[in-house]
Amino acid sequence: GENVEQHPSTLSVQEGDSAVIKCTYSDSASNYFPWYKQELGKRPQLIIDIRSNVGEKKDQRIAVTLNKTAKHFSLHITETQPEDSAVYFCAASPRAAGNKLTFGGGTRVLVKP
Amino acid sequence: DTAVSQTPKYLVTQMGNDKSIKCEQNLGHDTMYWYKQDSKKFLKIMFSYNNKELIINETVPNRFSPKSPDKAHLNLHINSLELGDSAVYFCASRTTGNTGELFFGEGSRLTVL
Repeated sequence: GENVEQHPSTLSVQEGDSAVIKCTYSDSASNYFPWYKQELGKRPQLIIDIRSNVGEKKDQRIAVTLNKTAKHFSLHITETQPEDSAVYFCAASPRAAGNKLTFGGGTRVLVKP
Repeated sequence: DTAVSQTPKYLVTQMGNDKSIKCEQNLGHDTMYWYKQDSKKFLKIMFSYNNKELIINETVPNRFSPKSPDKAHLNLHINSLELGDSAVYFCASRTTGNTGELFFGEGSRLTVL
């Protein structure tokens, strides 16, 4: 089955700096790669996703890149703000796996004012 | 108007007891899931149902029994609770297919004493 590795597990940045989180996946059949943000005590919520026919996608301060050949994808947050502090999860979903979404281990991001 | 709702939000119980968590979604989705989030924040899939039919069972102990009376509901019953069952359990739903957003419930925090 799919295996998703995520690094780093914790990330501390100064407000205004950029944050980068990287993930690798194992199943070449995966074609959907979402990113979820989980604030303390809350549910995970989708912030951005990318499909395998696209190499990059941007939404305001957030961007994702996908390298299908190397089987890795990354989340970039620019101009970080204190409200970006949360746990971020990457995930991968193979085409024929019963709608299964496999998550990475999570990255705890702390933005220091 | 909550999209995915689960009850109860908190459960504190003794080892050996049996407990249930209920989940309902009003999004018209065909697929529902149970995920377990442990103290290290790993989000691990347990079960997935599509139109009331079990399609994913991730080697979860058979003390855990999901039940889907209809496609809008997915309940989780746990027998003979153990200390290691303490976690936050998230219900989630999604449209059929592997590229749709996964919507999570608020989570049910289970503490086994």
